[in-house]
Amino acid sequence: NAGVTQTPKFRVLKTGQSMTLLCAQDMNHEYMYWYRQDPGMGLRLIHYSVGEGTTAKGEVPDGYNVSRLKKQNFLLGLESAAPSQTSVYFCASSGEMGEQYFGPGTRLTVT
Amino acid sequence: SQKIEQNSEALNIQEGKTATLTCNYTNYSPAYLQWYRQDPGRGPVFLLLIRENEKEKRKERLKVTFDTTLKQSLFHITASQPADSATYLCAQLNTGTASKLTFGTGTRLQVTL
Repeated sequence: NAGVTQTPKFRVLKTGQSMTLLCAQDMNHEYMYWYRQDPGMGLRLIHYSVGEGTTAKGEVPDGYNVSRLKKQNFLLGLESAAPSQTSVYFCASSGEMGEQYFGPGTRLTVT
Repeated sequence: SQKIEQNSEALNIQEGKTATLTCNYTNYSPAYLQWYRQDPGRGPVFLLLIRENEKEKRKERLKVTFDTTLKQSLFHITASQPADSATYLCAQLNTGTASKLTFGTGTRLQVTL
């Protein structure tokens, strides 16, 4: 039981490049989330999904897109990366009591 | 808008003492408050949750309280150990919102010998 996994762990992008972050969970959870974490700002919700085929905007969705084609996977895309998107990205899924299980994170640097 | 605030960025205590971390919220009481631990370079790990109608919850050396009058939750670690050193995050859960959480910015706890 791996829980929540994320790939890649690290990535460096140039401004304007695109990339996709992959999140996978093996706990059969319906709800999944993408957060970014920046110093002094805490965790902020980018997008979330309440089930396969559904997505919704969170607090800071601009510049990101997501897809949930399979229940166990939640993808986060950056179409045209900007330096302001330099951050640590966490994926999470939600258990029965609303507790969240987080992946190990992806450290993204945009130069 | 509702805010979750952890006013102490850092807390240093001696091994064996009780660490007490504070989480304040504005406006309405969240249905649940949750506490997480985050180690450097890792994702947060869920520790405890407490419902609005519960005063106190315990798990081993951890205790969480919820005071709706003070709009505050306290998180206690008794008999603290150096291994307890980490950042602790509180988060509010509002029912009916896809189990979305709003997180505080965290308190970094350092337990020294």
